[in-house]
Amino acid sequence: AQTVTQSQPEMSVQEAETVTLSCTYDTSESDYYLFWYKQPPSRQMILVIRQEAYKQQNATENRFSVNFQKAAKSFSLKISDSQLGDAAMYFCAYRSANAGGTSYGKLTFGQGTILTVHP
Amino acid sequence: NAGVTQTPKFQVLKTGQSMTLQCAQDMNHNSMYWYRQDPGMGLRLIYYSASEGTTDKGEVPNGYNVSRLNKREFSLRLESAAPSQTSVYFCASSEQERGPYEQYFGPGTRLTVT
Repeated sequence: AQTVTQSQPEMSVQEAETVTLSCTYDTSESDYYLFWYKQPPSRQMILVIRQEAYKQQNATENRFSVNFQKAAKSFSLKISDSQLGDAAMYFCAYRSANAGGTSYGKLTFGQGTILTVHP
Repeated sequence: NAGVTQTPKFQVLKTGQSMTLQCAQDMNHNSMYWYRQDPGMGLRLIYYSASEGTTDKGEVPNGYNVSRLNKREFSLRLESAAPSQTSVYFCASSEQERGPYEQYFGPGTRLTVT
């Protein structure tokens, strides 16, 4: 079974600075997808960025980028020019790409990292 | 588009009571999911429905049942609520079960069982 670990329960950053959230995962599969979701105090889960394991290029979405290290099974999220609206719980998630099996389509989440942004 | 809607938003039950959480999506998605969120544990899959007419157990199915009523609606039922089922429940949907498709989440239901 796959597991996802976020070792930083809480992180903080000053407005306009850069912060990196860590995520590691364990899998024996070679084809999968990785996601970062944001959960603000409203509870709504919002997709921030996704990475397909077969793509070597790191995904970017505006101020958000990832450092995907497949061999190390590491998937960190970098937030540049942090804004007050970035304050939220961030979840790393794994999804198998293999056909069949009971894990198919399921998202496996990490424990989450609470990000505080200081003005 | 309302996306994924869930009712109710909050609910308090006594131990042993039953209730059904409702979920609907208007994006014509094939796959739907129910997760629960507990402090320090992220979200865990309870049940999912890959397509209309099919349902399968996820990671933590005990104490729950589901019904995929039609393509739009996927309900979660607690037959006899227990304090261990106090949690926040999220419904999600995606276009397909396969592929890098995003899962869209509803606003969640906070359930307290006393």
